[in-house]
Order: sequence, then C-alpha cells, then structure tokens
Amino acid sequence: AQSVAQPEDQVNVAEGNPLTVKCTYSVSGNPYLFWYVQYPNRGLQFLLKYITGDNLVKGSYGFEAEFNKSQTSFHLKKPSALVSDSALYFCAVEDHNFNKFYFGSGTKLNVKP
Amino acid sequence: GAGVSQSPSNKVTEKGKDVELRCDPISGHTALYWYRQRLGQGLEFLIYFQGNSAPDKSGLPSDRFSAERTGESVSTLTIQRTQQEDSAVYLCASSLALSADTQYFGPGTRLTVL
Repeated sequence: AQSVAQPEDQVNVAEGNPLTVKCTYSVSGNPYLFWYVQYPNRGLQFLLKYITGDNLVKGSYGFEAEFNKSQTSFHLKKPSALVSDSALYFCAVEDHNFNKFYFGSGTKLNVKP
Repeated sequence: GAGVSQSPSNKVTEKGKDVELRCDPISGHTALYWYRQRLGQGLEFLIYFQGNSAPDKSGLPSDRFSAERTGESVSTLTIQRTQQEDSAVYLCASSLALSADTQYFGPGTRLTVL
C-alpha cells in the first residue's frame, strides 16, 4: 500500500542547533514530495517541494530537504533552529500518475531556548 | 478573497443527521482538494476536483460521503447519516494546477458527531 511515514511523533532541539525531521515514503514511480507546516491555531502552509532536479531543495524560513531516491526519504533540515520554528510538520507525497496525495501523520517540533 | 475559506468553522451534530461543509477556493485556482484529519493523525485524502473533469471518488470513505464543485468555484462536501467516526477536521485546499503545485489550505471545519 502507498504510504508516508514520519517515524518521530516529536522532535526536541535546542535553539541554534541543527534539526532534522524524518520522512520516508512507499509510493510507486517518481512521486513529487512536499513539506507543509502547521503553526498553532493556523492552517497548513507550504514549505518546500521536490519535483525533479537537484536532490537538495531549499524552501521558506531557511528550511531545506534532501531527496534520497535509494532510501525513498525526504528529510527536512535546518542548520540552526529557532524557537519560532516550533510547529507541526507534515511530509506529503503526490502520486502524479494516479492523482493521489498522501500525508504523513506529522511530527511536532519543539525548539527550546 | 486572500485565501481559502471554509464554513462553518465548527459543526456539532447528532448521529444520523446530514451535514454540509463548504469550501471557497482561491480565485483562479483550478484544482480543489478535500482532506480529513482525525485527532492525532495525518491528513487523509478524500477527493479532488480539476476544472470540469469528473472527480475521482475512490478516496471517499463510504457512500455516505459526496462532494460537488460548481465550475472552478465553491465546493461542498456532504456527509449523510453521520456517524461518530466521522468526527474530524475536514480540510479544503486549492492550487493553480492539479499536479506538482503548492496547495493552499483553508482553516478547516471541525465536525463533532455526538
């Protein structure tokens, strides 16, 4: 079955440290990959996406993600975390051959001062 | 409008009643999506609309769920004979194009079935 996995329900990091939020997927073909963020009491917002090309994509607020085809992963990273990055992060995969969209269960990022 | 809007923001209903949820996409967006988000879980894709194409209904959880869209404007998601397991936040999103495009999400409708 097609699926997206975010193995960590919660990630805790100290402000200024690098952060990684993991995502792996099991979707056939060459899917398109996305990260969205949900701040408290706000709707989901787009962060970045991988469609084709360079495996390292850069997005909003200093976030980046690396596509690894062999490991079917699309981990979200940031070199230096901010307290304001604390939010719920969702990895999403588009199976464009069948126009289906799959989201992970979300990872809560806590950045402590 | 500036973004995707949904109404109502909250809906409490009794088991067995029908409910209708509304989504107003961003003007000019041809694609519109409905998702369900149960408490503590990820988004479950329900259905999308693209232009005048017939929607793929295979993602709808049961035949109690239906959705319509008039042209490239408002969409409604209807749940008939609601059950307690239908309780969730229902999210709508729209995008300029169907594929490889950023989806802009509305604030959601929180449905509680008593």
